[in-house]
Amino acid sequence: QPLLSQPPSVSGTPGQRVSISCSGSTSNIGDFFVNWYQQFPGTAPKLLIFSNNQRPSGVPDRFSGSKSGTSASLAIRGLQSEDEADYYCETWDARGGPTFGGGTKLTVL
Amino acid sequence: QITLKESGPTVVKPTQTLTLTCTFSGFSLDTRGVAMGWIRQPPGKALEWLALIYWNDAKRYRPSLRNRVTITKDSSRRQVVLTLTDVGPVDAGTYYCARRPFESGGNGTFDVWGQGTMVIVSS
Repeated sequence: QPLLSQPPSVSGTPGQRVSISCSGSTSNIGDFFVNWYQQFPGTAPKLLIFSNNQRPSGVPDRFSGSKSGTSASLAIRGLQSEDEADYYCETWDARGGPTFGGGTKLTVL
Repeated sequence: QITLKESGPTVVKPTQTLTLTCTFSGFSLDTRGVAMGWIRQPPGKALEWLALIYWNDAKRYRPSLRNRVTITKDSSRRQVVLTLTDVGPVDAGTYYCARRPFESGGNGTFDVWGQGTMVIVSS
């Protein structure tokens, strides 16, 4: 079982705002920055958000991240069909090293 | 431009040792604050971090695999090697290498990934 808990799936219609939660504990999210990755089928993950809420160059500002306590969230506003993908949160866990969430499949209806 | 590429056998037999190589370009693993990691993904499942090696040759391993996994680097050849002993069906999946720079005070992020290499465990 992953140390970070994400909903298995979320869905939304084009133009809508959706959010994906990532729940952890004081040994991981509570003490460390959170990163988010986007993964399309058959391809490698791509960094989407780092250090809780920073976007790498080239990532649209429709994507935003936040963190509060032992939870983090990825928000996507103005949902587009090309956003349909799997999304993973990741942070450091004091007991071992990097740890990923179980992933969330985003479906654009 | 930073690139990473994984290579290794596609099929390994149960109980054998799996050796994967990540060849990278566009940065140096001797630079302070840089690390490289291996992450795997079983078919249809989530990402799972396996090992990390730092610029100073310090290493970290997934606790549950610590007795089976080894990570090494050859900075001059720009390669990082993952070795996993006594493989079984649960070790099948796509294996990725990724760069993990650590900013001051931060815990790092996997900012660039290789394309991945698929591993099948079968006799």
